[in-house]
Amino acid sequence: EVQLVESGGGLIQPGGSLRLSCAASGFTVSGNYMNWVRQAPGKGLEWVSTFYTGGNTYYAGSVEGRFTISGDNSKNSVYLQMNGVRAEDTAIYYCTKGRGANSIWDYWGQGILVTVSS
Amino acid sequence: EIVLTQSPATLSLSPGERATLTCRASQSVNSYLVWYQQKPGQAPRLLIYDASNRATGIPARFSGSGSGTDFTLTITSLEPEDFAVYYCQQRRDWPLTFGGGTKVEIK
Repeated sequence: EVQLVESGGGLIQPGGSLRLSCAASGFTVSGNYMNWVRQAPGKGLEWVSTFYTGGNTYYAGSVEGRFTISGDNSKNSVYLQMNGVRAEDTAIYYCTKGRGANSIWDYWGQGILVTVSS
Repeated sequence: EIVLTQSPATLSLSPGERATLTCRASQSVNSYLVWYQQKPGQAPRLLIYDASNRATGIPARFSGSGSGTDFTLTITSLEPEDFAVYYCQQRRDWPLTFGGGTKVEIK
């Protein structure tokens, strides 16, 4: 059974740093696009970043230069390092699995809340 | 950036009725259009990929159509569990983008 479990969220002050983790099971992260998608409270969905084996990474303009996505095949996990966070980064962050090397997200984690506030 | 516009924002219907949701892209996305369903407090669920292909386990009452810039998600006869928010997403180009969503609510 495919599972994605996010961790590392919480309350953080503006300008601070946080690392989200996504532990995958039931499949291997290598060979699949792994992604972060977020949803601000009461708002719609926003794609954040994509990681693919070999170091290919993609970012939304709103987070480029501040967030870094990475993966660890040995831990079958994906990470999102969030630096210089802003109030507008407050959201539920979902880890998602692509169907192979494409952006059709067939599995989603339960989501983790990140709140940026002083 | 490809902008996706969903309409209507809210659709008020009764169980058993037909729902027609639209998604319009600011430029062609070919058939690289995906639909998700989200219920309150839950993660989104994949419904339709590449405009017209139902994902695994999705009932036949859900269907998608369209290509280029205009797409439609149709639910032929609404079941109580179908009342939710529906999002379209394009995977034609980076950055990947979503529409603003259509809420299907009980009339």
